[in-house]
Formats: sequence, structure tokens, C-alpha cells
Amino acid sequence: GENVGLHLPTLSVQEGDNSIINCAYSNSASDYFIWYKQESGKGPQFIIDIRSNMDKRQGQRVTVLLNKTVKHLSLQIAATQPGDSAVYFCAERYGNNRLAFGKGNQVVVIP
Amino acid sequence: DAGVIQSPRHEVTEMGQEVTLRCKPISGHNSLFWYRQTMMRGLELLIYFNNNVPIDDSGMPEDRFSAKMPNASFSTLKIQPSEPRDSAVYFCASSQQGNYGYTFGSGTRLTVV
Repeated sequence: GENVGLHLPTLSVQEGDNSIINCAYSNSASDYFIWYKQESGKGPQFIIDIRSNMDKRQGQRVTVLLNKTVKHLSLQIAATQPGDSAVYFCAERYGNNRLAFGKGNQVVVIP
Repeated sequence: DAGVIQSPRHEVTEMGQEVTLRCKPISGHNSLFWYRQTMMRGLELLIYFNNNVPIDDSGMPEDRFSAKMPNASFSTLKIQPSEPRDSAVYFCASSQQGNYGYTFGSGTRLTVV
């Protein structure tokens, strides 16, 4: 995939366990955040979003937590499955509907 | 909806040649973004359009890069002349104003030899 060879932070997790992926963002004025998942050979795919007036949002098997005090975002994946193996990016909205992406975190699910 | 459609999926070209990448955004989306993804820099915003008008092209690396959006359903990113360091995956994404989530295409993997 596009990120093969890049020394991304890698999380190896046993199938069925929970995963937590962390992200630090840079702009305290950012008002909207998104987590994307990118599988090898594909474009980033929207997973879940959160606005800055919230600190937690839940989706199906995923939860995003936002700590504005320390500018930290996390993605929790419950009961990780082999199909969750991918690179995960956090993104922050700034300016006029522009998104800035983090470097990404590789998740490897061990069957 | 077929999603954001990019073509070609893969492009291999010789240094100095012109390369044109194409994108069809999702119908009804009025914002379009071109990103470049490399191992070293990750995802970089090159340029984005609102209602077919370029709003910010500060991410375009050099004058060799240009982008157009002649209508709401089509955009091109052109590199002329291409160089080996342009090798990357180029993504197009679109969104609807007021809805901040982007939808990405599958990307064009460009290799300049």
C-alpha cells in the first residue's frame, strides 16, 4: 500500500481485543475532527467525526474521544477484527473547510 | 452513487512528459480537493475548489503543477514536465459545503521514471 515502508507508529492487537489509537492535533482553533481508515491500495475512508463542543461520540464498534485541553484525539475500536487492519488518520478542520491530516497509525490485527 | 472517480488508477511515465490526472466528484458536492500522499510527507493538500473556483493553491509544489475545474463534475491535475520526485499517490476528494466529511477517490498512483 501507499504507506508500506513508512515508519508509522504501529499497534499490533489480538483479534477480539480493543484497540486505542491516539492523535495529537496542532490547532487549538480547530472545530471539527475526523478519523479516516485507509486500507492498502485504497483511498481514506470516513469512520467517525466529532465536533469541538463534544468530548465523546460513539459509532458502531468505534468511539472517538476529544480532549481539547491537551489537544488530543483518540479512536477506540471494540472487538478488533482482521478487517480493521489498516492505517488510521486523524484530521482536523481549519480555515475554510480544509482538513489537515496526521501522519497515520498502522493497526495490525493478529488472528 | 459511484463515489469519487479518479483516472487513471496507475500511470507510469518518463521524466519530462506531461501527466494529466482526472477526477469526477460526487454529484451535488461543491467542494473538491486534490491531495498527494507520499511515504515521507503523508497526505498533503495541493489545491481545493469551491463551486469550481480555486480557493487555495498554496499547497501546489511548483509551477509545473496546475489544476482546473471547468465544471461541477470534472477536475484535472496536470504536471508538466513531470519529474521522478513527483512519484506519489494523488487523491481527489469531494464534499458538500456544510458537511465537512470528505469522500476520497481510490487515487492515482503516479510513477515517473
